[in-house]
Amino acid sequence: DMKVTQMPRYLIKRMGENVLLECGQDMSHETMYWYRQDPGLGLQLIYISYDVDSNSEGDIPKGYRVSRKKREHFSLILDSAKTNQTSVYFCASSWGGPPTEVFFGKGTRLTVV
Amino acid sequence: GDSVTQTEGPVTLSEGTSLTVNCSYETKQYPTLFWYVQYPGEGPQLLFKVPKANEKGSNRGFEATYNKEATSFHLQKASVQESDSAVYYCALSDSSGSWQLIFGSGTQLTVMP
Repeated sequence: DMKVTQMPRYLIKRMGENVLLECGQDMSHETMYWYRQDPGLGLQLIYISYDVDSNSEGDIPKGYRVSRKKREHFSLILDSAKTNQTSVYFCASSWGGPPTEVFFGKGTRLTVV
Repeated sequence: GDSVTQTEGPVTLSEGTSLTVNCSYETKQYPTLFWYVQYPGEGPQLLFKVPKANEKGSNRGFEATYNKEATSFHLQKASVQESDSAVYYCALSDSSGSWQLIFGSGTQLTVMP
């Protein structure tokens, strides 16, 4: 079953708390992504990972970091969350190379209060 | 850098009417173009892709032609159904070699019965 799984689906955090969003995929895809989705802005790339410990900043990396220690897992970390990081976060994966299809998870809705 | 511009929403149509969602792009190379669809509570999923200029992609009654001269990739459907209500994203594969997809801002479509 080809799936990208995100946990948790919903999360409420206080400003200044640390946040960990987790993502797993069962397709052995080399490339994984973290996007955030905001109304009117579409999907913006936060980080891209080409394989284990091979990560690159996307368009909006400020305030985020990532960790990929196993090919099937990719974590997004917010150190000291801010209210403007309230958003829906999507993890995605694809085969290595220029993407022919990117598979998305169902998203995590994060609210920072 | 590469960019995608698409019809701003929301778009509301009656069942049986035709749909056009405009998409134009800027790139220095020859990307693969994609249309993604996102249903409520789900992540985006691939509707179809077209890797070559002047070719057409289609799926579930939706179609789009990769027009290199006009740098356009408009999504069309002759007769929409209530089940087509979703957000539609135009996207292109980045030409810088980063392997990311660059998304438009999305178009919310609501089809009334």
